[in-house]
Amino acid sequence: SQQGEEDPQALSIQEGENATMNCSYKTSINNLQWYRQNSGRGLVHLILIRSNEREKHSGRLRVTLDTSKKSSSLLITASRAADTASYFCASSGGGADGLTFGKGTHLIIQP
Amino acid sequence: SAVISQKPSRDICQRGTSLTIQCQVDSQVTMMFWYRQQPGQSLTLIATANQGSEATYESGFVIDKFPISRPNLTFSTLTVSNMSPEDSSIYLCSVIRNMNTEAFFGQGTRLTVV
Repeated sequence: SQQGEEDPQALSIQEGENATMNCSYKTSINNLQWYRQNSGRGLVHLILIRSNEREKHSGRLRVTLDTSKKSSSLLITASRAADTASYFCASSGGGADGLTFGKGTHLIIQP
Repeated sequence: SAVISQKPSRDICQRGTSLTIQCQVDSQVTMMFWYRQQPGQSLTLIATANQGSEATYESGFVIDKFPISRPNLTFSTLTVSNMSPEDSSIYLCSVIRNMNTEAFFGQGTRLTVV
C-alpha cells in the first residue's frame, strides 16, 4: 500500500493554541481515520469521516475531508500538554481493506 | 471499541531465530490485520489474517518470512522468521468489528533483533 503524505512532519506550538495537521491520500476511499500514538505505543482511534461527509467534530477535534483534492485536515483546538503525540491519518477503501497510513505529524505542545 | 491483548509487549531476539506474536480480542471481529512500524516511521500493512485460510499479504511481504495464523474470530498470531536486525520494529495487531467501521489497535510488540 502506498502511503499518503502528511504535513507538517513536526509541529511545535504553545499550550492553548490550535494545531492543524494535513493529510493527502492517493486512491479513492470509503473512509478516512485519524489516530494518535504516544511514544511508540499502540494507536488510539480519534475520529472516522466517511467519503460522503465533509466535516466532523468530536470534542476539541475537527476533521475535514475534501475528496476532490484527496485531502483531509485535523484541527485540535485549545491544545494541552497531553496532546503531545504523533498523529496519523489512515485511509480505507472499505470492505475488507486494511488501512493505508500517512507519514504522520509529530505534535509538541509547549507548556 | 475492542479490547485487544497483544503478547509479548517487547522482546530482544538473536538474529536467525523466530518470534511468534499473539493477538487476542475480547469478542468476535470481522477482520484482523498485522502492521509493521519501523523506527521513526509510519505503519505499513503486512497482511490480512483470514479465519481458517491463508493470510492475504501486501506487496513486499511473504508468507515464508511472516507466517500468520487465525484459527478463529478472536485470535491470530504473526511469526517473524529468521530474524535480522532489519526486522527490528513495532508490530501491531488491528481489528475491525464490522465492514467500513473504525479499526482498533493492540499496544504493539516492540521487537529488537541483535
